[in-house]
Amino acid sequence: TQLLEQSPQFLSIQEGENLTVYCNSSSVFSSLQWYRQEPGEGPVLLVTVVTGGEVKKLKRLTFQFGDARKDSSLHITAAQPGDTGLYLCAGGGNTPLVFGKGTRLSVIA
Amino acid sequence: NAGVTQTPKFRILKIGQSMTLQCTQDMNHNYMYWYRQDPGMGLKLIYYSVGAGITDKGEVPNGYNVSRSTTEDFPLRLELAAPSQTSVYFCASSSQTVSGANVLTFGAGSRLTVL
Repeated sequence: TQLLEQSPQFLSIQEGENLTVYCNSSSVFSSLQWYRQEPGEGPVLLVTVVTGGEVKKLKRLTFQFGDARKDSSLHITAAQPGDTGLYLCAGGGNTPLVFGKGTRLSVIA
Repeated sequence: NAGVTQTPKFRILKIGQSMTLQCTQDMNHNYMYWYRQDPGMGLKLIYYSVGAGITDKGEVPNGYNVSRSTTEDFPLRLELAAPSQTSVYFCASSSQTVSGANVLTFGAGSRLTVL
């Protein structure tokens, strides 16, 4: 069974701070996705990475896929209250995706 | 464009009752999924379907049934509801991208409480 472990589980920071959350596995994935979920809503895709070592930027968010395609990180620069939510990583490429348990981020103004 | 629509949004059931969670998508996606989300536990796959007429079990299928008679609809049936089925249920659909990755579009969720 493929497992994805996310850390930290909870993170509370002040507006303007930087942060990094991690997604790790002992398994190799052909692709890895990051989703953000806000209260009362379903997860929404942020990014998909498919190549080992790949780095993608989405405004203040930087995503990296590990060289061995077993891990990924999400870095947020100058966090804002609008970044608050549950961040989920998901690995796969073929159905079905495997999800991590998520990192719950709270950004305090 | 509605995307993935789930009904009902909230429901309270008594132990032993049955119900169906409805899910429909208008994106002509082949793949559809049902997940449950419990506090601190992420998303667990219940059932999925790769096309009309084809369904398969996920990680936690016990106590649930599904059918896929059309591309658009993927209802989830709960038989003999139990308190352990109290959860938030998400339906999702996807089609493969050029890179081969399945990008999921989720519904807004159905919160079910079994008392």
